[in-house]
Amino acid sequence: AQTVTQSQPEMSVQEAETVTLSCTYDTSENNYYLFWYKQPPSRQMILVIRQEAYKQQNATENRFSVNFQKAAKSFSLKISDSQLGDTAMYFCAFFDQTGANNLFFGTGTRLTVIP
Amino acid sequence: EAQVTQNPRYLITVTGKKLTVTCSQNMNHEYMSWYRQDPGLGLRQIYYSMNVEVTDKGDVPEGYKVSRKEKRNFPLILESPSPNQTSLYFCASARRGYAEAFFGQGTRLTVV
Repeated sequence: AQTVTQSQPEMSVQEAETVTLSCTYDTSENNYYLFWYKQPPSRQMILVIRQEAYKQQNATENRFSVNFQKAAKSFSLKISDSQLGDTAMYFCAFFDQTGANNLFFGTGTRLTVIP
Repeated sequence: EAQVTQNPRYLITVTGKKLTVTCSQNMNHEYMSWYRQDPGLGLRQIYYSMNVEVTDKGDVPEGYKVSRKEKRNFPLILESPSPNQTSLYFCASARRGYAEAFFGQGTRLTVV
């Protein structure tokens, strides 16, 4: 079974600084997607960034980038130039394309950006 | 506008009183799923469906039922709610094989 582990329940960062959120996963599959979702206080689930497992190049979306290490099964999120609006819960998620075709989540990291 | 709609957004009910949380999507997605979110536990999957009349258990299906009679709707049924089902619930949908999921606004359920 697939598992997604986020070992940092809470983190904080000064405004304008850079922070990295960690995520590891376990799977025997070769074809899958990885995601980071953001959940602000409004509770809405917002897709931040996605990575296809077959792509070696790390995904980037503006201030958000990932460090995808397939062999190590690691998928960390880097937020550069942190802004107050980045304060939220962040969930790492795994989608299995070839097995259950299902979406699994980690336990989340609560990020606080300090002014 | 492409969206997943959940109703109600908030619900307070009593133990044992049957309830249904509705979920509807307008994107013709094959995949739909229900999750519950609890502090420190992330989003845990309750049930999911790959298409009409096809449903399967997730990680925490006990105490819940679902049905998928139409492609757009995937209601979550609690036949006899208990206080340990107090949680935040999310419905999600996605196109089959394409992993980006769209989420509903969430339903905050309190069972007293």
